[in-house]
Amino acid sequence: AQSVTQLDSQVPVFEEAPVELRCNYSSSVSVYLFWYVQYPNQGLQLLLKYLSGSTLVKGINGFEAEFNKSQTSFHLRKPSVHISDTAEYFCALHLTGGGNKLTFGTGTQLKVEL
Amino acid sequence: GAGVSQSPSNKVTEKGKDVELRCDPISGHTALYWYRQSLGQGLEFLIYFQGNSAPDKSGLPSDRFSAERTGGSVSTLTIQRTQQEDSAVYLCASSLVSPYEQYFGPGTRLTVT
Repeated sequence: AQSVTQLDSQVPVFEEAPVELRCNYSSSVSVYLFWYVQYPNQGLQLLLKYLSGSTLVKGINGFEAEFNKSQTSFHLRKPSVHISDTAEYFCALHLTGGGNKLTFGTGTQLKVEL
Repeated sequence: GAGVSQSPSNKVTEKGKDVELRCDPISGHTALYWYRQSLGQGLEFLIYFQGNSAPDKSGLPSDRFSAERTGGSVSTLTIQRTQQEDSAVYLCASSLVSPYEQYFGPGTRLTVT
């Protein structure tokens, strides 16, 4: 069965500093990968996705992620964070061969401090 | 345009009661998904609809849980004889034919007392 691991449950960072949120996955077949963000008391919003092609994908709000097949990773990065980036971030995968669900990691709480 | 909407936003119920949660997907989206988000289990898939049929119910945790979708649009998730462990946020998502971009609603927070 496939799985997604987000090792960091919380990441504190100062405003304007760079940040990396780590995501590793496990699957016996090819996958599509996603990052979602959840602001307090809201649903999930898609930040970016990797389906195929360039392994560096850019998303909304200045975020980007790099797909690394050999390391089975899809880490999320932002060069300079803002207070408004404080939220929970979820990495998720979808099997390329079908299936109907997203498999999520446990989430990383990003807390941006002044 | 309008996004996925869910109602109610909050629901408090007594153990043993039945509850119905509603999801209105984005107009034209044929696929609809229910997920559950809880502290202990994270985000879990419950059920998937394509049109009015549910080809994947593999995530429903027990036979107390059921869901239907009518007219290829609105979906209702029903939990019978609620238990305290059912307390969670229930999220609905929809997508076009491709399942790969799912748009989520704000969720219904269910508290079973």
